[in-house]
Amino acid sequence: GENVEQHPSTLSVQEGDSAVIKCTYSDSASNYFPWYKQELGKGPQLIIDIRSNVGEKKDQRIAVTLNKTAKHFSLHITETQPEDSAVYFCAAPLGNNAGNMLTFGGGTRLMVKP
Amino acid sequence: DTGVSQDPRHKITKRGQNVTFRCDPISEHNRLYWYRQTLGQGPEFLTYFQNEAQLEKSRLLSDRFSAERPKGSFSTLEIQRTEQGDSAMYLCASSRGRGTSGPWQETQYFGPGTRLLVL
Repeated sequence: GENVEQHPSTLSVQEGDSAVIKCTYSDSASNYFPWYKQELGKGPQLIIDIRSNVGEKKDQRIAVTLNKTAKHFSLHITETQPEDSAVYFCAAPLGNNAGNMLTFGGGTRLMVKP
Repeated sequence: DTGVSQDPRHKITKRGQNVTFRCDPISEHNRLYWYRQTLGQGPEFLTYFQNEAQLEKSRLLSDRFSAERPKGSFSTLEIQRTEQGDSAMYLCASSRGRGTSGPWQETQYFGPGTRLLVL
């Protein structure tokens, strides 16, 4: 099955700086990579996702890049704000499955200092 | 689109008791997933439904766990004879699946979760 590794586990940045979180995956057949943001006491909220037919996707201050050859994908947050503080999870399909079950990375706790 | 809802949001129970959680998916979504999340970890897949059919179960889903989706709409997850190790956040997600064959990655939307504490 798919194995997803996520780094770093914690990240502290100054407001306005950029933050980068990286994930690697093991199954070369994986072709969908979502990123979720989870605030304390809440469920994960999808913030951006990328499919393997593109190498980069942007949505305002958030971007995701995908390197299929190296089997890694990254989340980039620019001009960070205190409200970006949360735990971020990357995910990939659990094996080559028709049901799109996801396997998640271990999470990155992002702290944006004002 | 009112989002995925879960009930209750919190549940405290004593070891050995049975508990049942409910999930209402986004109305037009035919796929429904249950995940479990322990403190400091990412969600782990438990089981998934396409309409009313339960198509996949994780090895994490012991025989004390049972899930149903009788009419292809809401789903329930029951844990019998709860143990302290069952303490976790139980998350439900839904997606609009378009078929039963081949990898078809549809976006999954998560509910707020039910936090279970077993004393």
